[in-house]
Amino acid sequence: GQNIDQPTEMTATEGAIVQINCTYQTSGFNGLFWYQQHAGEAPTFLSYNVLDGLEEKGRFSSFLSRSKGYSYLLLKELQMKDSASYLCAVRDWNYGQNFVFGPGTRLSVLP
Amino acid sequence: GAGVSQSPSNKVTEKGKDVELRCDPISGHTALYWYRQSLGQGLEFLIYFQGNSAPDKSGLPSDRFSAERTGGSVSTLTIQRTQQEDSAVYLCASSLAAGELFFGEGSRLTVL
Repeated sequence: GQNIDQPTEMTATEGAIVQINCTYQTSGFNGLFWYQQHAGEAPTFLSYNVLDGLEEKGRFSSFLSRSKGYSYLLLKELQMKDSASYLCAVRDWNYGQNFVFGPGTRLSVLP
Repeated sequence: GAGVSQSPSNKVTEKGKDVELRCDPISGHTALYWYRQSLGQGLEFLIYFQGNSAPDKSGLPSDRFSAERTGGSVSTLTIQRTQQEDSAVYLCASSLAAGELFFGEGSRLTVL
């Protein structure tokens, strides 16, 4: 089976840095994705990791360690508009090209 | 169109009625996914299509739920004899073979 865990909620201050962790257990790992979802809106793609290491994209970076079943999303220079849910998703060969999503982390950015 | 299109955006129905939700994926995307999201919850996988076939139907909650995809494009999710616990936002997403998911805006279903 598959199991993906994330913290339920996090709070951070505008201008700060926040790290959102994701741990997963899957037998046919084929990539890890991060999505952002604002309240009442559809999820939008943020980043993708399939090899170990750090992928940087502007203020957002994502890290993957396949041996540890661990990823994090790093948000720098937080802005109020970053308040949203952040969803970690794993694609698994054993389920075709299916994506399994974690429960999401609700981030609140305070002034 | 440029993005994934879903209809209706909102549907209010009475318990016991059937509903159909439609998804028009991005042109050329071979994979199509249906997810369900209850208020404040994560995404629950329902079904996945590769072309017109569904390799993974494991997420459908009961036999009241069914889905089809025709012409490798539009998909319809049908819920028969709706129950109050079916109330949720139903999200459709599409992707190229090995790419990320692109989501539609969702269909919000309310069963009274």
